[in-house]
Amino acid sequence: KNQVEQSPQSLIILEGKNCTLQCNYTVSPFSNLRWYKQDTGRGPVSLTIMTFSENTKSNGRYTATLDADTKQSSLHITASQLSDSASYICVVTTGGFKTIFGAGTRLFVKA
Amino acid sequence: DGGITQSPKYLFRKEGQNVTLSCEQNLNHDAMYWYRQDPGQGLRLIYYSQIVNDFQKGDIAEGYSVSREKKESFPLTVTSAQKNPTAFYLCASSIDLYSNQPQHFGDGTRLSIL
Repeated sequence: KNQVEQSPQSLIILEGKNCTLQCNYTVSPFSNLRWYKQDTGRGPVSLTIMTFSENTKSNGRYTATLDADTKQSSLHITASQLSDSASYICVVTTGGFKTIFGAGTRLFVKA
Repeated sequence: DGGITQSPKYLFRKEGQNVTLSCEQNLNHDAMYWYRQDPGQGLRLIYYSQIVNDFQKGDIAEGYSVSREKKESFPLTVTSAQKNPTAFYLCASSIDLYSNQPQHFGDGTRLSIL
């Protein structure tokens, strides 16, 4: 069964600290993996997208990694800001177009 | 600015009533999607459309209907047959179904039961 699991479910960190969010998937065949940021009451916004041959992709303070062998991805946030408080969603697309969404990690950044 | 507009932001449904959620995009995208988001769950696909006048059921299409008469518009009707419609509904679009480009999402409609 195609699944995307994210951990932790929620995370609280202090402003200025770094954090890493995890994503494990059992999707096959694999096409690409995306990370989205979703603010409360808003739609998700794309942060990064990685294909099978890419193992790292950065977008400002966000860096995503992909290990296609172990089927794991991580999203690292550097020097967190209050505006980073949001849900972060890992999404894996199969060889067709079907996308499987993780349930997300809810990040709270405290001053 | 190019983007996706969903309306209304909040919607309330009475028993036995059909309601329609609007989704408009000016990104010139061929593919459009409707998702349902429930607390603690990943987004689930309701319907998708690859091109005008064509649409396909997703994973949870029962109790929903759509139309795609124009490239820019993909309205979703939540019918009275949908017994648990309370959720956050998200519309998205992409260049096409198979592109590696990301989906662009609207800001959602929150539907509740009166």
